[in-house]
Amino acid sequence: QKEVEQNSGPLSVPEGAIASLNCTYSDRGSQSFFWYRQYSGKSPELIMSIYSNGDKEDGRFTAQLNKASQYVSLLIRDSQPSDSATYLCAVPFITQGGSEKLVFGKGTKLTVNP
Amino acid sequence: GAVVSQHPSRVICKSGTSVKIECRSLDFQATTMFWYRQFPKQSLMLMATSNEGSKATYEQGVEKDKFLINHASLTLSTLTVTSAHPEDSSFYICSAFKQGILQETQYFGPGTRLLVL
Repeated sequence: QKEVEQNSGPLSVPEGAIASLNCTYSDRGSQSFFWYRQYSGKSPELIMSIYSNGDKEDGRFTAQLNKASQYVSLLIRDSQPSDSATYLCAVPFITQGGSEKLVFGKGTKLTVNP
Repeated sequence: GAVVSQHPSRVICKSGTSVKIECRSLDFQATTMFWYRQFPKQSLMLMATSNEGSKATYEQGVEKDKFLINHASLTLSTLTVTSAHPEDSSFYICSAFKQGILQETQYFGPGTRLLVL
């Protein structure tokens, strides 16, 4: 059973702070990792993908991957109230039938307080 | 990014009727699409994998006769909720894999909110 674990939170940070979201995964062979943001009542939106160990930066977002520890994180710098959402970590895996599907964590709810 | 659309965005129907939801990939071809359901304050639940030109693969516990999936073209998958009942009221979201340089990436449609009275 492929598993993706996230701290469900809620995580609350003040505006301007760094929000740190963490995710661990069970399949050591996983090669790609995704972070989605889901606002209440809306569908998930892709914000970051990462494939290599280390950091990947995109604006205020930084994804960090450590395959040895099976750990991927998302840092949000200068957090804004508009960042308040649930953040989903997702890892693809190949089923026995040969098709690919994403396994999602349960999500971490982030609240950024003005 | 990529664009995935869904129609309708919201539907209200009477118990016992069938409802069809369309999912389209607007700027890419998708051999594989996915259908999810999400209840309020709960996680996404994968219902089925929709494969172009072949039968859908349903997750355990999802009734294939209740949730009919058709993926007749590379840009369109449909989910039909047959004989809908109030417990089928939920947020239905489709997604599609888009092939990139390094990896396929999954993009979500905006979702369809179904309310069965």
